[in-house]
Amino acid sequence: DGGITQSPKYLFRKEGQNVTLSCEQNLNHDAMYWYRQDPGQGLRLIYYSQIVNDFQKGDIAEGYSVSREKKESFPLTVTSAQKNPTAFYLCASSMGLFQHFGDGTRLSIL
Amino acid sequence: GNSVTQMEGPVTLSEEAFLTINCTYTATGYPSLFWYVQYPGEGLQLLLKATKADDKGSNKGFEATYRKETTSFHLEKGSVQVSDSAVYFCALTNAGGTSYGKLTFGQGTILTVHP
Repeated sequence: DGGITQSPKYLFRKEGQNVTLSCEQNLNHDAMYWYRQDPGQGLRLIYYSQIVNDFQKGDIAEGYSVSREKKESFPLTVTSAQKNPTAFYLCASSMGLFQHFGDGTRLSIL
Repeated sequence: GNSVTQMEGPVTLSEEAFLTINCTYTATGYPSLFWYVQYPGEGLQLLLKATKADDKGSNKGFEATYRKETTSFHLEKGSVQVSDSAVYFCALTNAGGTSYGKLTFGQGTILTVHP
C-alpha cells in the first residue's frame, strides 16, 4: 500500500540535544511538508519542499532544519535552538492540491 | 494573508443528532477548501473538498458547500455516530504561484458523540 511513514511514533529529547524525525513516502509525490500541532491549535507549517534538493521555510521554521536529498524522504531535525519542542509533528506529501498525512511523531522533553 | 476560522469547541452531541461545524475564511484569489478529520493518535485524513464556488463536497454522510459570497465552508451531517468522534479541521490552499499546495488550517474543532 502506498502511504507516508513517520518514525518513531514517540520521541524524547534531552536538553541541548538535536533529534531527527523521519518521514518517508512511496506515493511518488513531488511536494512534502512538515507541520507542528499543539493542543487547541491548528497545524502550523514548519518547512516544505516542492522538489528534490529544494525547500522553503514555513511560518515557524526557527529552531528546525530539513533536507531533501531523495524524493521519498524529508527528515526534520529539531535543534537545541528550539526552546519549546514538545508537540505532535505531522509530515505530509502532495501531488497537486491534496495533501496526504502520516500518523505523526509525538516529541517530548525529558 | 490567508486565514481560517472555525467555531470553537468542544462540541458534544448525542448519537443521531444533527451536526454543524462553522468555518469561514479569508484568502486572496480563488482558494480550494477542505475538511480534514483526525482520529485520536493519528494523522489527518481528507474528509471532503471543494475547488470552486458553489461546489458541494461530500463523503461518509458529511457535506460542505463552498459559499464565496459568505466566504464559508460549513461542515454538516444529518445523523452523527459515536465513531464520528474526532477533531475536524477546515483548511484552504491557493492554487498556483509559490504557495501552491500549502495549506492554511483552522484551529480544529473537537467533536464527541455519546451513545
